[in-house]
Amino acid sequence: KAGVTQTPRYLIKTRGQQVTLSCSPISGHRSVSWYQQTPGQGLQFLFEYFSETQRNKGNFPGRFSGRQFSNSRSEMNVSTLELGDSALYLCASSSPGVNEKLFFGSGTQLSVL
Amino acid sequence: AQRVTQPEKLLSVFKGAPVELKCNYSYSGSPELFWYVQYSRQRLQLLLRHISRESIKGFTADLNKGETSFHLKKPFAQEEDSAMYYCALSVNDYKLSFGAGTTVTVRA
Repeated sequence: KAGVTQTPRYLIKTRGQQVTLSCSPISGHRSVSWYQQTPGQGLQFLFEYFSETQRNKGNFPGRFSGRQFSNSRSEMNVSTLELGDSALYLCASSSPGVNEKLFFGSGTQLSVL
Repeated sequence: AQRVTQPEKLLSVFKGAPVELKCNYSYSGSPELFWYVQYSRQRLQLLLRHISRESIKGFTADLNKGETSFHLKKPFAQEEDSAMYYCALSVNDYKLSFGAGTTVTVRA
């Protein structure tokens, strides 16, 4: 089985721009979660989707949004980029139950200049 | 809100020595606790979860509700155990709250 695939691997943007990150879950997994990883804040939960519905959202500003498609692929979007948005964005997929094991992707490294 | 604390940012042990990574949490209910590990140049992956009560790669972790702790232990550390370890908590809300992580270095 192919693992969780995230594209692109690296992104460089400037302040004020917007960015879209993509995540393809493991086949058969319908739950997709997103996490932001930074040296200062560690791993922080962004949101979780199941069957195209957001089931939970972390404490991030409205500039951070996401969606899930009918094939379970997910995208997250960050608008009006700020320097502080520079981070590794990790996607994870899992079976639909609560507290199921998460399978993480390699992440997208976003640098905002 | 739930919180996970890993007091040690760095931990260095010699090969063959015991290793213990501390994890404390704050939550009044019955959370589920996990340990995730990230080896060099690899993805973050689940090491073990408390409900499984299993030993993975020689590691065990016991949930102590009285002390709100979920420390990770291994009696004899190996060089391949060098990695970043994260303690995480979930309260049936489809998200994980992670600790800051502990970098373990096992010296020969």
